[in-house]
Amino acid sequence: DQQVKQNSPSLSVQEGRISILNCDYTNSMFDYFLWYKKYPAEGPTFLISISSIKDKNEDGRFTVFLNKSAKHLSLHIVPSQPGDSAVYFCAASGGGSNYKLTFGKGTLLTVNP
Amino acid sequence: DTAVSQTPKYLVTQMGNDKSIKCEQNLGHDTMYWYKQDSKKFLKIMFSYNNKELIINETVPNRFSPKSPDKAHLNLHINSLELGDSAVYFCASSQVDLRTEQFFGPGTRLTVL
Repeated sequence: DQQVKQNSPSLSVQEGRISILNCDYTNSMFDYFLWYKKYPAEGPTFLISISSIKDKNEDGRFTVFLNKSAKHLSLHIVPSQPGDSAVYFCAASGGGSNYKLTFGKGTLLTVNP
Repeated sequence: DTAVSQTPKYLVTQMGNDKSIKCEQNLGHDTMYWYKQDSKKFLKIMFSYNNKELIINETVPNRFSPKSPDKAHLNLHINSLELGDSAVYFCASSQVDLRTEQFFGPGTRLTVL
């Protein structure tokens, strides 16, 4: 039962353009969402998060948007850089189990020079 | 200084063997986790310890036994290894309030032959 879904396994964009990574969730008890970035042979590293009381959170080139009614969030990277090429995981927590993160399958982003 | 470290990075072993993976964090965090990333690339939580106490135990075979000698260490012991145990295992840590990110180790790639 996939509670967090990233339906695009891969995305390719040109350097300087916007990258939009999408994530859908099914559990309405989730109230905190995180994006992680993972390079090959390394562990995931935290990128940005958003609480369900907000609909947008921005940190430099990275912005996360949350649409609670649609149970959808997206990560925007503007402008995209070749160093952003990595796998991006969406994760969610909540519903009384604050210790547990449920991850999506990840989207491989490739930013072409 | 590595924040979350795991040893070994690679582990190749025969079916039926018993093996351990060690994890240490120097961030002063209260909570530590073990995740499994299988061939389908899902990152799934296995265990979580808070101040040396088990707080999450997902449906993991009892061949897997976590041990936390102190809050900076969480080791994973696996008995009677099976082919299906082949995966990348990630250790992570966080403060008790999960509304902060989890910090991941580099992963241990376990291959069972």
